[in-house]
Amino acid sequence: QSVLTQPPSASGTPGQRVTISCSGSSSNIGNNYVYWYHQLPGTAPKLLIYRNNQRPSGVPDRFSGSKSGTSASLAISGLRSEDEADYYCAAWDDSLSGRVFGGGTKLTVL
Amino acid sequence: QVQLQESGPGLVKPSETLSLTCTVSGGSVSSGTYYWSWIRQPPGKGLEWIGYIYYRGSTKYNPSLKSRVTISVDTSKNQFSLKLTSVTAADTAAYYCARDNLDAATGFDYWGQGTLVTVSS
Repeated sequence: QSVLTQPPSASGTPGQRVTISCSGSSSNIGNNYVYWYHQLPGTAPKLLIYRNNQRPSGVPDRFSGSKSGTSASLAISGLRSEDEADYYCAAWDDSLSGRVFGGGTKLTVL
Repeated sequence: QVQLQESGPGLVKPSETLSLTCTVSGGSVSSGTYYWSWIRQPPGKGLEWIGYIYYRGSTKYNPSLKSRVTISVDTSKNQFSLKLTSVTAADTAAYYCARDNLDAATGFDYWGQGTLVTVSS
């Protein structure tokens, strides 16, 4: 049971815009930054979004993050086949005094 | 370019201690900017933060693992290590080391490739 809640799956067709949600509480998302990572099969996760909506250099602007209250979202526009991966949200949790992750969302490009 | 590389046994017997080392290149574990972390992922499941160490030796652990986990740092070798005692099959996972910039809030920006550790007799 993950501290942050994500839908287990999402899908879209090439060119579409998809969003992945991440729900938490006041001890994590509500009071701290949200991060997003994506993970291709058999590889290590890679940072996609930090500080709710900032992209590291090299991450296309097709990826965007937002946060409102105790929830956050990752949006992917102009969906491509190479976006097919697992996506994880993360935050610091003040109650646990540590990093917490969502359970992950498997994105399928149809 | 910062690189992290995990090393250690891929097979550990139940009740024994899992020991892994992360070697950092292209950067220094002595940097006061970063927290050096361990994260694991059971096969087919999600990510779980294990804990971190700061170069001065201060640590923070996941409460669910705290009684069994020790993370240490060796600045002379530019490495940090993980020990997990009394392992069971539930500890079978890919173990990743990663760099976390808590203060600047830039997240886990560099990861090792991960190493699969299987707990089995």
